[in-house]
Amino acid sequence: NAGVTQTPKFQVLKTGQSMTLQCAQDMNHEYMSWYRQDPGMGLRLIHYSVGAGITDQGEVPNGYNVSRSTTEDFPLRLLSAAPSQTSVYFCATLRPLGGGGTDTQYFGPGTRLTVL
Amino acid sequence: AQTVTQSQPEMSVQEAETVTLSCTYDTSENNYYLFWYKQPPSRQMILVIRQEAYKQQNATENRFSVNFQKAAKSFSLKISDSQLGDTAMYFCAFMKLMAGNMLTFGGGTRLMVKP
Repeated sequence: NAGVTQTPKFQVLKTGQSMTLQCAQDMNHEYMSWYRQDPGMGLRLIHYSVGAGITDQGEVPNGYNVSRSTTEDFPLRLLSAAPSQTSVYFCATLRPLGGGGTDTQYFGPGTRLTVL
Repeated sequence: AQTVTQSQPEMSVQEAETVTLSCTYDTSENNYYLFWYKQPPSRQMILVIRQEAYKQQNATENRFSVNFQKAAKSFSLKISDSQLGDTAMYFCAFMKLMAGNMLTFGGGTRLMVKP
């Protein structure tokens, strides 16, 4: 049981490049979300999903796309990287209380992204 | 929209002593959760403790306890018998009930435990 895994751990991009951050979970949690953490700050929600085929925007969605084709995976795509997207990205999962869960989010280890 | 404020950017405590981290929040919701997360240098986000707003009893987890004051919108974390491994960033977070993806975080408090 690996929990929540994120790849890669580190990435350096040039401005304008695109890439996909991967998030996978083996806990069969319905909810998944992406957060970013800028230096000295708390996490902010980018996008989230309440199940396969359903996604929605969070607080800071601009410049990012997501899709959820399976319960296990929730990739985050940077369409055209900008220096302002330099951050640490966290994926999180949750099984809601109504679904037999605990309404508590579990976080992956994070991906540190630098955009030059 | 909800806001979460942690007014202490940095704190330090001697090993084995007790320290309290402050958190205040603003919401118009009546049903919600509050959390404290720990982020050590490894940057992994680790759940420390959670509180359901409908519960009057303060949550406790071993050396960690909270003082939840719903009317004052205050949610402080007390760490007893501080250990060197408690050195980390601590984040207070808010989540509406039935909004399982949407945590709102405070700016964090950096805690240093000194030997």
